[in-house]
Amino acid sequence: AQSVTQLGSHVSVSEGALVLLRCNYSSSVPPYLFWYVQYPNQGLQLLLKYTSAATLVKGINGFEAEFKKSETSFHLTKPSAHMSDAAEYFCAVSLPGNLIFGKGTKLSVKP
Amino acid sequence: EAGVVQSPRYKIIEKKQPVAFWCNPISGHNTLYWYLQNLGQGPELLIRYENEEAVDDSQLPKDRFSAERLKGVDSTLKIQPAELGDSAVYLCASSPRGLGTEAFFGQGTRLTVV
Repeated sequence: AQSVTQLGSHVSVSEGALVLLRCNYSSSVPPYLFWYVQYPNQGLQLLLKYTSAATLVKGINGFEAEFKKSETSFHLTKPSAHMSDAAEYFCAVSLPGNLIFGKGTKLSVKP
Repeated sequence: EAGVVQSPRYKIIEKKQPVAFWCNPISGHNTLYWYLQNLGQGPELLIRYENEEAVDDSQLPKDRFSAERLKGVDSTLKIQPAELGDSAVYLCASSPRGLGTEAFFGQGTRLTVV
């Protein structure tokens, strides 16, 4: 069975600091992986996706994620946090016809 | 291109009352999902449609929840009767057919049962 684990339900960084949000997956087949962002009272918006074309994936708003098969990880990073990055972030793994989501990580950005 | 449209955005009802949510997916997207999101949790699948056929409804509480997707386009999700524990955000999403394609989400309906 495929599943997603996000380490840390809440991450707090200072503005300008590195953002690192962790995601580990389990999958019996090569996975398709996604990161979504959710702002308060909004739906989920796709940040980036991994579909086996390249292990380093660049997304919107300066975010990127690296697929590491040996570590079964797909961590999300951004070199310099901005106040507008404060939101909840969800990692997801694709099954045929479904997406399985992690529990999410709430990112806070301090001025 | 218009995104996934859901209505209403917010709904407050008394327990034991019925409630319905509506979703209009992105044009041309064959796959439609209804997800439940509890506070502080990730979305959990309730039901998935491929065109007008419900192909995965294993997580839908069928004693009180029902859904339909007429003509393979719009969809409605109904709860009757609602319980206090149904208070949550109900998200609709759609995607083109195919493995690895992402889902596009609506803004959700926040249901409060009092």
